[in-house]
Amino acid sequence: EAQVTQNPRYLITVTGKKLTVTCSQNMNHEYMSWYRQDPGLGLRQIYYSMNVEVTDKGDVPEGYKVSRKEKRNFPLILESPSPNQTSLYFCASRRKFGDNDEKLFFGSGTQLSVL
Amino acid sequence: AQSVTQLDSQVPVFEEAPVELRCNYSSSVSVYLFWYVQYPNQGLQLLLKYLSGSTLVKGINGFEAEFNKSQTSFHLRKPSVHISDTAEYFCAAATSGTYKYIFGTGTRLKVLA
Repeated sequence: EAQVTQNPRYLITVTGKKLTVTCSQNMNHEYMSWYRQDPGLGLRQIYYSMNVEVTDKGDVPEGYKVSRKEKRNFPLILESPSPNQTSLYFCASRRKFGDNDEKLFFGSGTQLSVL
Repeated sequence: AQSVTQLDSQVPVFEEAPVELRCNYSSSVSVYLFWYVQYPNQGLQLLLKYLSGSTLVKGINGFEAEFNKSQTSFHLRKPSVHISDTAEYFCAAATSGTYKYIFGTGTRLKVLA
């Protein structure tokens, strides 16, 4: 089954304690992206990757890091989490921009609470 | 700059009634337009999309949307809603070359019995 898998589903942590949210896709997609969802703000892009070793900032990259060492994996790293990073996070992937099958595949989300 | 506006944050509607969720976009170049749905405790999934061609687009679960270039709108409609349509709906736009989706703030559709 084609899917994007995020882990963990829920995470509670404390300010300053480094954490990683994993994301993996089994569709051989080139493009992967991270979003955060906050009430009243919709989805905002954090980082994206066009391919292995190619990453770029989205609209709200501050406080986050990513890496793309393998095509299937795109982890999101919070080196020193702060309470304003409490949010619902989604990983997404897609095959190639603009073809007739254009769409984003989303993971189930990670609800992060930073105390 | 590209932007997507969903003016209605919440839309209550009775079961079997019609519904329209509004979406307006701004872009100086050609755009691709999408509606995604998010059911409770789930990720987003594609409802329908407009890439080119016919301006009336049909999607899953009986939804449809019409691309109106002159009004820069892409409103989502369903003639008769069900309880199971209760969800949050996101409009999104993307332009070729930016590789980036811009999402609206979402509209919560609540279908009442």
